Parts: sequence; structure tokens; C-alpha cells
Amino acid sequence: DGGITQSPKYLFRKEGQNVTLSCEQNLNHDAMYWYRQDPGQGLRLIYYSQIVNDFQKGDIAEGYSVSREKKESFPLTVTSAQKNPTAFYLCASSFTTESNTEAFFGQGTRLTVV
Amino acid sequence: GDSVTQMEGPVTLSEEAFLTINCTYTATGYPSLFWYVQYPGEGLQLLLKATKADDKGSNKGFEATYRKETTSFHLEKGSVQVSDSAVYFCALRVNNDMRFGAGTRLTVKP
Repeated sequence: DGGITQSPKYLFRKEGQNVTLSCEQNLNHDAMYWYRQDPGQGLRLIYYSQIVNDFQKGDIAEGYSVSREKKESFPLTVTSAQKNPTAFYLCASSFTTESNTEAFFGQGTRLTVV
Repeated sequence: GDSVTQMEGPVTLSEEAFLTINCTYTATGYPSLFWYVQYPGEGLQLLLKATKADDKGSNKGFEATYRKETTSFHLEKGSVQVSDSAVYFCALRVNNDMRFGAGTRLTVKP
């Protein structure tokens, strides 16, 4: 079955550590996105990528980094520079050239700083 | 910039009540509009969509009509069930820019 997979589902980070969240899709989508969800604030865009080896900052990119070395993969690193990283992180993907199509979401990773 | 505004929750209804969740948008281009649903601890699932003015999206008894004149895409259901309890997000897409509303939490009581 085609889909988008995020791992791990739960992640704990000590202060000062970098952590990487995985996102893989087998839908042959060109575009991939990372969103952060906090209670009552909806989804905020962190980074997005429309093509391999290219990505753009979203609204809240500070303290995060990404790479897009393969079409199927778009990992997100939460760095120690991110002062309030505890949140629910959602990865999504979509076709690039068909703007009337929806984005597909993974099941999310809940990151907690301990 | 492009944005979506949806009614604040939480919304609490009794089973079989009528549901409306308001959504309005601001967009510089011609957006496609979506409603997503999120169950606890999960990602977002597409509920319905509409890609041009006057289109009506529908799924599982939910409906929404793309109203360009009022820049709205309100979600409605005639008779809600306990299983409809979730958070609902209105969203728009213009090219590869996807924007989401803040979400509306719906609780349906038996």
C-alpha cells in the first residue's frame, strides 16, 4: 500500500541534543512538507521541498534543518537551537504539478524534551 | 499572504444534532479548498475537497461548498454521531503553498 511513514511515533530529547525525525513516502510525490502542531495553534509550516536537493523555509524554520537527498525521504532535524521543541510534528507529501490535489499526512511524531 | 480562519472551538453537540463549522479564506490566487479531520494521536486525513468556485465536496455525510463571493468553505453535517468527535481543519492550497486553519475540536455526546 502507498503511504507516508513517520518514525518514531514518540521521541524524547534531552536539552542540548539534536534529534532527527524520519519521513518516508512511496506515493511518488515530488513535494514534501514538515509541520509543527501545538495545542490551539493549528499547523505551522517548518520547511517544504518541491524537488530533490532543494527546500525552502516555512514560517518557523529557526532551530530546524532538513535534507532532501532522495525523492522518498525528507528527514527533519530539531537542533539544540530550537528553544521550545516539545510538540507534535507532522510530515506530508503531495504532487507538485497538480495544485488541486490534497496532501497526504503521516501519523506524526510526538517530541518531548526531558 | 494566504490564510485560513475557522471558527474557534470547542464545539459540543448532542448526537443527531446539525453541525456547522465556519471557514473563510484569503488568497491571492485561485485556491483549492480542503477539510481534514484528525483523531487523537494521529495525522490528518482528507475529509473532502473542492477545487473551483461553486463546487461542493462531500464525504461521510459531511458537505462544504466553495463560495468565492464570500470566500467561505463552511463544513456541515445534518446529523452528527459520537464517532465524528475529532478536530477538523480547513485548508487551502495555491500552487505548492498549503495553509491550515487553527482547527475546531468537535465533541459529540450520546
